Amino acid sequence: QKEVEQDPGPLSVPEGAIVSLNCTYSNSAFQYFMWYRQYSRKGPELLMYTYSSGNKEDGRFTAQVDKSSKYISLFIRDSQPSDSATYLCAMSDNNDMRFGAGTRLTVKP
Amino acid sequence: KAGVTQTPRYLIKTRGQQVTLSCSPISGHRSVSWYQQTPGQGLQFLFEYFSETQRNKGNFPGRFSGRQFSNSRSEMNVSTLELGDSALYLCASSLNGQGNTGELFFGEGSRLTVL
Repeated sequence: QKEVEQDPGPLSVPEGAIVSLNCTYSNSAFQYFMWYRQYSRKGPELLMYTYSSGNKEDGRFTAQVDKSSKYISLFIRDSQPSDSATYLCAMSDNNDMRFGAGTRLTVKP
Repeated sequence: KAGVTQTPRYLIKTRGQQVTLSCSPISGHRSVSWYQQTPGQGLQFLFEYFSETQRNKGNFPGRFSGRQFSNSRSEMNVSTLELGDSALYLCASSLNGQGNTGELFFGEGSRLTVL
């Protein structure tokens, strides 16, 4: 079993849809949780960062962390074609960082 | 502020050869991490250097090595290339290390193709 599991998709939605991306993990020591966005032919860039359990909102993006279930989510409201990218979850225990495989998202106009 | 610069961006090698990739981190960042990205495995951690010392190492064979210079620039080397080494190699810099805040700044990567 991988330390971080993420459905690779691909996921295709119409413009304006609500998108839900998820990851599960096995290491209970993880306490920092991140979402990175990677456009084609580019390196990943940090999108959202949360510490421990809870929700964090930034514009159309909401990150949720449920440490009891070892489950994190990223919600995108009113999705736009410009959101088309690969989304990678990542988590850290203050020493090591682990990434999910990434979910490829396409938002169709 | 200049971002993370990786060179070369693309390269083609044949099996058995060796390759050296270079990474210049953001000015002031002391940590450089290297990752291998493939469609099947996602982002796999290779190693992290902090102030010229290897601080962390992933589960890769000894053919993969790296170093960091006093100006924080880093290189990684892969010897005796295999077909399975074909991947996008990403370098990420951070102020204090990948395990601290989690905010890594990635370069655009070096895409290696092994024939």
